[in-house]
Amino acid sequence: AQSVTQLGSHVSVSEGALVLLRCNYSSSVPPYLFWYVQYPNQGLQLLLKYTSAATLVKGINGFEAEFKKSETSFHLTKPSAHMSDAAEYFCAVSERQAGTALIFGKGTTLSVSS
Amino acid sequence: DTAVSQTPKYLVTQMGNDKSIKCEQNLGHDTMYWYKQDSKKFLKIMFSYNNKELIINETVPNRFSPKSPDKAHLNLHINSLELGDSAVYFCASSQDDREGSYGYTFGSGTRLTVV
Repeated sequence: AQSVTQLGSHVSVSEGALVLLRCNYSSSVPPYLFWYVQYPNQGLQLLLKYTSAATLVKGINGFEAEFKKSETSFHLTKPSAHMSDAAEYFCAVSERQAGTALIFGKGTTLSVSS
Repeated sequence: DTAVSQTPKYLVTQMGNDKSIKCEQNLGHDTMYWYKQDSKKFLKIMFSYNNKELIINETVPNRFSPKSPDKAHLNLHINSLELGDSAVYFCASSQDDREGSYGYTFGSGTRLTVV
């Protein structure tokens, strides 16, 4: 069964600092991988997704993630954090088959201080 | 136009009541899902339907019953509500697009509070 592990339930950075949120997946075959963001009391917004094209994926709001098969990782980064980036971030995985559900990690809360 | 819409957005009800949450998508997607987000923010798949056919039915109490009248709608009915059912419920839909990747679109959620 597929799964994702997000290392670190809370990450705190200063405004302007590098953001690094870690995600490792478990899958017998290369899956599709996603990062979602959830702002307080809101729904889920897709940041970016990996679907076997370029291993470095650029998303919205300056975020990017790199798929590393050898490390089974899909870490999310942003060079410079903004206060508005404070939110809950979820890594998710799905099989390469239509109609399969997204399986989510437990989430990482990002705090940004001024 | 909202792609995946859920109603109601908030639902407060007493234990033992029966309630329904409705979901509609106007994206033409074939598959729809219900997820539950608990108080610790953990998102767990509950059900999925593909063209009105039940595909995924995770370990969920049988008090929860999904119903899909057509592929654009997936409703969630909950009988005999319990305190532990309090959560945010998200509807989602997906389609295998032409690039061979998947697009999952989520609704804005329904916050259910059982008192």
